[in-house]
Amino acid sequence: DGGITQSPKYLFRKEGQNVTLSCEQNLNHDAMYWYRQDPGQGLRLIYYSQIVNDFQKGDIAEGYSVSREKKESFPLTVTSAQKNPTAFYLCAAAALAGEKLFFGSGTQLSVL
Amino acid sequence: GESVGLHLPTLSVQEGDNSIINCAYSNSASDYFIWYKQESGKGPQFIIDIRSNMDKRQGQRVTVLLNKTVKHLSLQIAATQPGDSAVYFCAENTDNQGGKLIFGQGTELSVKP
Repeated sequence: DGGITQSPKYLFRKEGQNVTLSCEQNLNHDAMYWYRQDPGQGLRLIYYSQIVNDFQKGDIAEGYSVSREKKESFPLTVTSAQKNPTAFYLCAAAALAGEKLFFGSGTQLSVL
Repeated sequence: GESVGLHLPTLSVQEGDNSIINCAYSNSASDYFIWYKQESGKGPQFIIDIRSNMDKRQGQRVTVLLNKTVKHLSLQIAATQPGDSAVYFCAENTDNQGGKLIFGQGTELSVKP
């Protein structure tokens, strides 16, 4: 999927647990994004990062956290504060913020 | 709160026919538009893009039309094939959005053999 690797493909979270979704890119792109997709719906932006060591909240950042310590990596942590975490999570990268996104293959997160 | 159980708009076409998928965008200042195709359980794939200084752009079997007057974007797929069955999203970018693409709800295309 265009040099974006997401892992794991499926993830299960127990009540009160934090889980981290991995996203790695080998495209040398500056900007990286996390989206959430619920069944039959579009993509909603959680967090994005235009450059290393910087990130901004998207439209639904509550209950999530990110870091961008390296250009190629943008992990997303779903915290226990996110009460409805079951969704399909998509990571994407763009050469520059606002340009076309290349997406990973997604992680399906479910609650046990 | 979150909306659940929404049904995507659906377009059903016969194999070999042309498909037209429409999108109404929200911001008259948007200057860049992209169409994505998403198959079930996969990430969206880039299909074609267009900037606001153009009205039409063609790719392989696909054409994107932009009507800035009525804020309307369309994706035309020629000779639709079963492999084209997927959900199609439009996305818009505006300079003042700080690098965020805004995605539409999506349209499900179903191709009948």
